Amino acid sequence: EDQVTQSPEALRLQEGESSSLNCSYTVSGLRGLFWYRQDPGKGPEFLFTLYSAGEEKEKERLKATLTKKESFLHITAPKPEDSATYLCAVNNQGGKLIFGQGTELSVKP
Amino acid sequence: EAQVTQNPRYLITVTGKKLTVTCSQNMNHEYMSWYRQDPGLGLRQIYYSMNVEATDKGDVPEGYKVSRKEKRNFPLILESPSPNQTSLYFCASSLGVGDTEAFFGQGTRLTVV
Repeated sequence: EDQVTQSPEALRLQEGESSSLNCSYTVSGLRGLFWYRQDPGKGPEFLFTLYSAGEEKEKERLKATLTKKESFLHITAPKPEDSATYLCAVNNQGGKLIFGQGTELSVKP
Repeated sequence: EAQVTQNPRYLITVTGKKLTVTCSQNMNHEYMSWYRQDPGLGLRQIYYSMNVEATDKGDVPEGYKVSRKEKRNFPLILESPSPNQTSLYFCASSLGVGDTEAFFGQGTRLTVV
């Protein structure tokens, strides 16, 4: 069964304290792994797509990496405005998007 | 501006009273889908559509209907809502199936009493 597991469920950081979010997946034929950011009461907002092991993408303080079993979202020197829930999702061979439950990130000044 | 628009944003209704949540996208996307988001369960797909007049069930389709008569619109219909359908609903669209990012609407918070 295709599934996505994110850890930790919640993460509290001080401003400037770098850390990583994990997304472990099992999928029958990976067509893409996606990271989204979701602010309270809003729809998910696209961040990155990764297609193959070894691939990396960066955007400001965020960097996403991919292996054959998991993906990491590295946050370097986070700011309070980075506080949000980060969602990982995979697309399987059938084109279905399967989401993890998310990591709720809180960055305190 | 490229966007997915859902209406209404908030809705409180009573058990059994039929309702429709509208969804419209202005990006000429082929693929549209509906999700519900519940605490501890994450986002789960209700229905999806690969093109006009082509719809199919997702993971949790029971109690819901959809239609795709035009490319831009994908309404979600609850014929006889029940309290277990109280949830946060999102419509999403993407250029194709599988390897392109999805654009999400702002969400509809539905409460069924």
